[in-house]
Amino acid sequence: SQQGEEDPQALSIQEGENATMNCSYKTSINNLQWYRQNSGRGLVHLILIRSNEREKHSGRLRVTLDTSKKSSSLLITASRAADTASYFCATDRYSSASKIIFGSGTRLSIRP
Amino acid sequence: EAQVTQNPRYLITVTGKKLTVTCSQNMNHEYMSWYRQDPGLGLRQIYYSMNVEVTDKGDVPEGYKVSRKEKRNFPLILESPSPNQTSLYFCASSFTGRDTEAFFGQGTRLTVV
Repeated sequence: SQQGEEDPQALSIQEGENATMNCSYKTSINNLQWYRQNSGRGLVHLILIRSNEREKHSGRLRVTLDTSKKSSSLLITASRAADTASYFCATDRYSSASKIIFGSGTRLSIRP
Repeated sequence: EAQVTQNPRYLITVTGKKLTVTCSQNMNHEYMSWYRQDPGLGLRQIYYSMNVEVTDKGDVPEGYKVSRKEKRNFPLILESPSPNQTSLYFCASSFTGRDTEAFFGQGTRLTVV
């Protein structure tokens, strides 16, 4: 069963624009994480936000978390060609924190 | 260099022929996990281990076995592979699992014919 669902499934924007991806989940969580995957390669951790946090920044990344709506968003500002990748949210389950559940991802393409 | 190493990177095998995909990490992580990635389904957790000799099922454990005899190694065993196990497999490790970042291997692309 999938815990996180990303939206949109695919996103294409012009270089320099901002990209926003959303993640919704079903059950209460302890933490939510975002990962990036370049084509066919291993995932790379971007940012972790805890359930008692509402917003977090890391460089050009901004993550928000709304536990009442069971949703999170990832904003990438001033996009670059190198940001072209798939982005996944990952959540644990409050009741079974050892299981980490990934969504199906958003494919982001940056047009030059 | 901190890393998770999977081998092999690519494997083509026949139905029913037992195989093992190895995974090793050099970060002294307690938590290790295996995922499979299929188009449109994202990553699904197969098995995870919270420490040596402690393993548990993820969401799609059928047809797979794991063992954790040493902290650094977490092999994935397919006793009798079938074509529906054709997939891209990832091993990952982290300090505790839920609240620390996971480090991923480069993946093993398995084809079962």
